[in-house]
Amino acid sequence: EVQLVESGGGLVQPGGSLRLSCAVSGFTVSSNYMSWVRQAPGKGLDWVSVIYSGGGTLHADSVKGRFTISRDNSKNTLYLQMNSLRPEDTAVYYCAKRYSNSPVSMDVWGKGTTVTVSS
Amino acid sequence: QSALTQPASVSGSPGQSITISCTGTSSDIGDNNYVSWYQQHPGKVPKLMIYDVSNRPSGVSNRFSGSKSGNTASLTISGLQAEDEADYYCSSYSSSRGVLFGGGTKLTVL
Repeated sequence: EVQLVESGGGLVQPGGSLRLSCAVSGFTVSSNYMSWVRQAPGKGLDWVSVIYSGGGTLHADSVKGRFTISRDNSKNTLYLQMNSLRPEDTAVYYCAKRYSNSPVSMDVWGKGTTVTVSS
Repeated sequence: QSALTQPASVSGSPGQSITISCTGTSSDIGDNNYVSWYQQHPGKVPKLMIYDVSNRPSGVSNRFSGSKSGNTASLTISGLQAEDEADYYCSSYSSSRGVLFGGGTKLTVL
């Protein structure tokens, strides 16, 4: 069964750091595009980052230079390193797997992990 | 402000059809055929309903259909049912900006 399980969320002060993890089962993380998508309380979906099967990455302008997506193939796990956190980064963070060969379609999502940035 | 523009809300009666629009630019929706639509019920994870403008993943009802004209994509739901009441999000690929989402549309089934 294909499954994604996020962890690592929590309460952090502005300017702080967190590392989110997404444990993957049922497929190989390195063989697929993997994304992080966030959703602020009561708001819409907001794409954060993608890592391609070849290892290349792309980040949204709002997090560029602060967040880094990566993966550990040996652990079959996706990560999101978040530095210089701001209150507007408060959200539920989902990891998601690409569907088929479509670059923007995500068919499997984790349940999310909550990040709260507040003093 | 979201990169793609959707109406905040739409409504329809059971059995009717509704259409949700998603407007982008020539650099995203108008530049490729990578438009997706997601359904999200309150407290739930998003579900992929349409990919690559008009394709349905297996298991998605054929009451859901997608199309595109120029810089605007559309999701049509026919034969509205109570369980269709949810938030709907469009997304598009931009070669320079990655994945873009619309602000979401709340569908109310009257």
